[in-house]
Amino acid sequence: AQKITQTQPGMFVQEKEAVTLDCTYDTSDPSYGLFWYKQPSSGEMIFLIYQGSYDQQNATEGRYSLNFQKARKSANLVISASQLGDSAMYFCAMSTGGFKTIFGAGTRLFVKA
Amino acid sequence: KAGVTQTPRYLIKTRGQQVTLSCSPISGHRSVSWYQQTPGQGLQFLFEYFSETQRNKGNFPGRFSGRQFSNSRSEMNVSTLELGDSALYLCASSLAGSLEANYGYTFGSGTRLTVV
Repeated sequence: AQKITQTQPGMFVQEKEAVTLDCTYDTSDPSYGLFWYKQPSSGEMIFLIYQGSYDQQNATEGRYSLNFQKARKSANLVISASQLGDSAMYFCAMSTGGFKTIFGAGTRLFVKA
Repeated sequence: KAGVTQTPRYLIKTRGQQVTLSCSPISGHRSVSWYQQTPGQGLQFLFEYFSETQRNKGNFPGRFSGRQFSNSRSEMNVSTLELGDSALYLCASSLAGSLEANYGYTFGSGTRLTVV
């Protein structure tokens, strides 16, 4: 069975500091993709970053980086230099070959001024 | 370019009624997926369509159905509404499906359905 686990329901971070949001996954498929999405209070889901299972290097997109540890089946999101606008729900997601993406329960991030 | 458009944004229906939600994907995107989001269950996959064909379906009762038109626009229908169907329904489009990784999904703003 495929599963995404986010164990941090809520996280606080000081503005300008870095924060790591945890994500572990489970799949028996050798080929899969891992994603992070941000959902502000407005409700729209925003794609942040992607990591493929065969990618050798960790993905980075601006202030976002994905710490991919394949053996541990973890795909943590690191946000550097947090901004007030980063306050939102963050979802880790995984897709395999079944034309379906599954999402974790999410982590609510609060950035403090 | 225009994003994913979902209509309506808000909807209030009575138990037992049926509802149709619409999703227009980004131009050129042929895959459309639907998700139900609730505080208790999170994001639950409903179904995925590509070129008018349903390629995958989540674990929802038959009251939930969908379709995709030749222009890639998609609709989902919920019949005999129940109180538990109250949720944010999100539509997501992508070029070719879940492994089109460079793009991920582009989501619409959602339709918030309230069943009373």
